[in-house]
Parts: sequence; C-alpha cells; structure tokens
Amino acid sequence: DVKVTQSSRYLVKRTGEKVFLECVQDMDHENMFWYRQDPGLGLRLIYFSYDVKMKEKGDIPEGYSVSREKKERFSLILESASTNQTSMYLCASMDRPRQPQHFGDGTRLSIL
Amino acid sequence: GDSVTQMEGPVTLSEEAFLTINCTYTATGYPSLFWYVQYPGEGLQLLLKATKADDKGSNKGFEATYRKETTSFHLEKGSVQVSDSAVYFCALSNTGNQFYFGTGTSLTVIP
Repeated sequence: DVKVTQSSRYLVKRTGEKVFLECVQDMDHENMFWYRQDPGLGLRLIYFSYDVKMKEKGDIPEGYSVSREKKERFSLILESASTNQTSMYLCASMDRPRQPQHFGDGTRLSIL
Repeated sequence: GDSVTQMEGPVTLSEEAFLTINCTYTATGYPSLFWYVQYPGEGLQLLLKATKADDKGSNKGFEATYRKETTSFHLEKGSVQVSDSAVYFCALSNTGNQFYFGTGTSLTVIP
C-alpha cells in the first residue's frame, strides 16, 4: 500500500512565523500535491509538483511556497504565517494521470 | 474545463437505510472516476474507482457505476451502518496531473 506521511497531525504557530509542513511518500510517485481544506469550501489546490524541482501553482498559491528537492519529499512553506492560514492541510501523491491520489492524514494548523 | 458536481449535504439516514449520493461530471475524453471517504480528523481514503465506461467500482458494500451516457458516477450502498458516517467526495482525473473534486457530502447515520 502507498504510504503518505505528513510530519505533524497538529501544529500551532504564531503570526509572522515561517512554517514548514513536510510530506513524504514511499511509492516513487512522480506527482505530489498540497491542498487546504476549510469548512464549506471543500479541497483547494495550493501547489503541485510533477517532478523533482518542478512545481506548478494551484488555485490558491498566495502566501505559500513549496520545495521538492527529492522525489519522495514535498514541503509546503508559509513564508509569514497569518491567521487566515489556519486550516487543515492535506498532502497527496499520484503515480500518473488517471490513477488515484493517495493522501496523508492531514496537518491541522492553527496560527495564533 | 473538467469538473465534478456532487449532491449537496448533509445527509442523515437511519441505520440499514439505502444510500445514494449523486455525482455528475464534465470532461473531455475518458477520465477515471473515484469516490473518496474522509472520517473525522483524518485524510481522504480511496473508497472505489472506475476507469472506463460501464465499469463498476465496489468496496465495503459501496458501489458506483461509470455511466458515460449520463456523465454520472453515483455512490450507492444497500444498508448503511453508523460506522459509515463520514464525508464522501467524488473525484475525476483526466489526461493532466490535476484532480477535480466535488465539494463533499456529509453523511450521518443514526442508530
């Protein structure tokens, strides 16, 4: 089975801090994704990566950046955390188009 | 562009009732279709999938049939249990790298 591991289940940070969310997958998938999930808004794509060092903006990239230095690891960075970034963050990986995405357990991030 | 439209919730059913959650899609070509389930406080888990027209995906008593003529992929279960209480997402994947998710349908099953 594919395993996608997110580094933290719960995280509390302060406004203005630089925040790193880490995600690791163990199936050599080419594609990795970061979403945020908010009540009533469903899943919204922040960024995705289709190869090492390659990235594409999703629907809501403002205030975020990403890093993919190794195939198995995809990091989401909040450059200067703000309270409106309090949310559930979900990482996913996918082998190729038309295949399932596999999700981690999520990180519930609170910015105070 | 590609998109998924999913039945609005929330849905509340009694145990052993029949469940249908409607999902329709818009896409060119031959996308793959998926249903995911999300239990409280967790990530999304793949429930079932179908990759071509008339395929039926099934898992844990849930079923969905890929209907190209009606562009639908409705989720059904004959007898729901309290443990099925969760949020259900319909999703589509086509030739590109992105996934398209529905907005999710919350299901609560009461004893």
